[in-house]
Amino acid sequence: GDSVTQMEGPVTLSEEAFLTINCTYTATGYPSLFWYVQYPGEGLQLLLKATKADDKGSNKGFEATYRKETTSFHLEKGSVQVSDSAVYFCALSLLYNFNKFYFGSGTKLNVKP
Amino acid sequence: GAGVSQSPSNKVTEKGKDVELRCDPISGHTALYWYRQSLGQGLEFLIYFQGNSAPDKSGLPSDRFSAERTGGSVSTLTIQRTQQEDSAVYLCASRTGTSGNEQYFGPGTRLTVT
Repeated sequence: GDSVTQMEGPVTLSEEAFLTINCTYTATGYPSLFWYVQYPGEGLQLLLKATKADDKGSNKGFEATYRKETTSFHLEKGSVQVSDSAVYFCALSLLYNFNKFYFGSGTKLNVKP
Repeated sequence: GAGVSQSPSNKVTEKGKDVELRCDPISGHTALYWYRQSLGQGLEFLIYFQGNSAPDKSGLPSDRFSAERTGGSVSTLTIQRTQQEDSAVYLCASRTGTSGNEQYFGPGTRLTVT
């Protein structure tokens, strides 16, 4: 079935380190892919998205490229800040049933000064 | 603001009581979703509404849970005879009906069952 798998956390990094959070998916057809971020005590916010293969989503220094050949959408940032500490969720929606969303289990990122 | 709003922000109730949680979606959004997030966990899909179509209730964990959406706008999630395991944050999200568009989430309602 359709699903999203992302790396387990927590991920702990020092400020200015490079970040990668892996996300792979299983889906029928060509899904749209999303990364959401959840800061402590808040709801989820869209961080970036990509709607077709080879698209790169980017926002606030974060990037993710829609890789159809590896069914992946890994999140990267070149230099993390303490303020990036949050939980990150990878998600997909399906072309043929785009009202249905599937979320990964979330990866908690802790950035230490 | 024009975002998704939820009320109450916090709810403490005694085991066995009924609770109602409210969600006001973004105006014009035809799809509305409810999720449950237990402490430190991911999102558990509960139900979604799309326009006038029958809702997808496949995620509701038991018949104690129900939801309705009146006039294609405001939604209420009702939990009857609450149990301690119902304690969680309940998140609502809405989106347009266009393929590829994202969900917009509300701040959530934290439910504590004592």
